[in-house]
Amino acid sequence: GIQVEQSPPDLILQEGANSTLRCNFSDSVNNLQWFHQNPWGQLINLFYIPSGTKQNGRLSATTVATERYSLLYISSSQTTDSGVYFCAVIAQGGSEKLVFGKGTKLTVNP
Amino acid sequence: GAVVSQHPSWVICKSGTSVKIECRSLDFQATTMFWYRQFPKQSLMLMATSNEGSKATYEQGVEKDKFLINHASLTLSTLTVTSAHPEDSSFYICSASDSGSSSYEQYFGPGTRLTVT
Repeated sequence: GIQVEQSPPDLILQEGANSTLRCNFSDSVNNLQWFHQNPWGQLINLFYIPSGTKQNGRLSATTVATERYSLLYISSSQTTDSGVYFCAVIAQGGSEKLVFGKGTKLTVNP
Repeated sequence: GAVVSQHPSWVICKSGTSVKIECRSLDFQATTMFWYRQFPKQSLMLMATSNEGSKATYEQGVEKDKFLINHASLTLSTLTVTSAHPEDSSFYICSASDSGSSSYEQYFGPGTRLTVT
C-alpha cells in the first residue's frame, strides 16, 4: 500500500518563528489532507490539497503531486499552534481509505 | 458546514460490558464512514469502512465480532465494542465524506475516549 512519511517528527519553536512541515508519499493520490490534532484529540481540517497551493491566514500548503510531496508552512507561530500535525492521503485506484503519516509534534514556546 | 459529531465523547465501562459509539454527519449525507483507533502518541489506524445498507469492511487484524459496525442511515454509523477488556481502552474517531461531492475530502468527529476498567 501507499506509504506516507512526515518530517520532522518533532519540532520546537519560539513564538513568532516560521516553520515548514513535509509530507512525502509513495504513489499517486486522489486526496491529500493536512490536519492539526488539538490537545483534546479533535482533528481540525487545515487543507484539502491533492495538488496546488492554498493559503489560510498564517498557514499555507503546497502539494507537488508529480514529485509526491506536500509542504505545510506555518508563519509567525503562536503557542496555540502547538499540537500534532498529520498528513493523510488516499491513493489513486478506487479505495477511499485515508492513510495517515506518523505526524509532526510541534511545540511553540512563549 | 461538513460537521461530524460523535457520542459519547468519553465513556468508562467495566470489563465484559459492551459500549456503543455513535457517529453522525450533521449537515451532509455519507454513504461511507470510517472508524479509526488511536493509541497515545501514535497515529490513527483505520479499523473499518462502514457502508450504508451493507456490511462493513474490516482491516486486517481487526476482530469483526468484537467491533460491530452498523450504518443504518446516510447520516449515522455506530461502533459497538462488545465484551470490552482493558486492552480495548483507546481513542476512537470516525470520519465521513460527503456523498454529494466529487471531492475525496473527509471530515472527522471529535472522538470518543474509552476506558475499560
